[in-house]
Amino acid sequence: DQQVKQNSPSLSVQEGRISILNCDYTNSMFDYFLWYKKYPAEGPTFLISISSIKDKNEDGRFTVFLNKSAKHLSLHIVPSQPGDSAVYFCAATPRWDSNYQLIWGAGTKLIIKP
Amino acid sequence: ETGVTQSPTHLIKTRGQQVTLRCSSQSGHNTVSWYQQALGQGPQFIFQYYREEENGRGNFPPRFSGLQFPNYSSELNVNALELDDSALYLCASSGKGFSGVFTDTQYFGPGTRLTVL
Repeated sequence: DQQVKQNSPSLSVQEGRISILNCDYTNSMFDYFLWYKKYPAEGPTFLISISSIKDKNEDGRFTVFLNKSAKHLSLHIVPSQPGDSAVYFCAATPRWDSNYQLIWGAGTKLIIKP
Repeated sequence: ETGVTQSPTHLIKTRGQQVTLRCSSQSGHNTVSWYQQALGQGPQFIFQYYREEENGRGNFPPRFSGLQFPNYSSELNVNALELDDSALYLCASSGKGFSGVFTDTQYFGPGTRLTVL
C-alpha cells in the first residue's frame, strides 16, 4: 500500500521553462511534507518542505504547493536549469511521531533539455 | 563541519552471509535513521537510533539490527542475507531536541550499494 505516490517516473522540460512535479498521498495523518533531490551516486539532498498549516512555501526558484483536501502537493521550479536534472522524491511524515519516520514516493526523474 | 559519511561504498555478498554497514553522522547530530532503497523505488525506513537506543522501526524483520555509539555513529547489521536485500542503504542524521520533537532536517550520506548473489 503506497501512502505516497509520484505517478510520473520521468519528466522532460526545456531549459528556462517551468518544471512541475506532482505527488499524492493517502494518509490523512501526514502533516509535514518534504522534497528531496538526488543525483547519481549521492544521497538525497533536502530541497524544500511545507507544513500542513500552509498551502504554499517558496525558496528561490522552488515553490511547493499543498492541497490538503485533494491530498496533493506539487513542486514548481522556475526557471528550470540544467543543474536541476536529477531524481526528485516527495516524502511525508506525521511530525508528531517522535521518530519522524519519512514515507517516500518512488521519485520522478527530471531531465532539463538545453 | 563534516557531512554524513558511509562505508563501504559497494559490497558484494552471497546468500546466507552477514553484513555490517557503517555511518558517521553529521557533526552535532544525535539521531541516525537507516533506509533501504531498492532499484526504482523510494527509500524505505528501516529504523532509527537516538542516544544509542532504537527509537522506531519500519516493517523489516529482526535480522536487520543496528547500533549507535556514544559519538552518534551507527552500524546496520543484516544477518542471513537474501537476494531481495540487494539495494542501496542510506543513512541519515538529524538533530532532536530534549522535548523529543525533531528540529532539524535529515541529512543523507551517499549510501552503500549492497549486492547479494
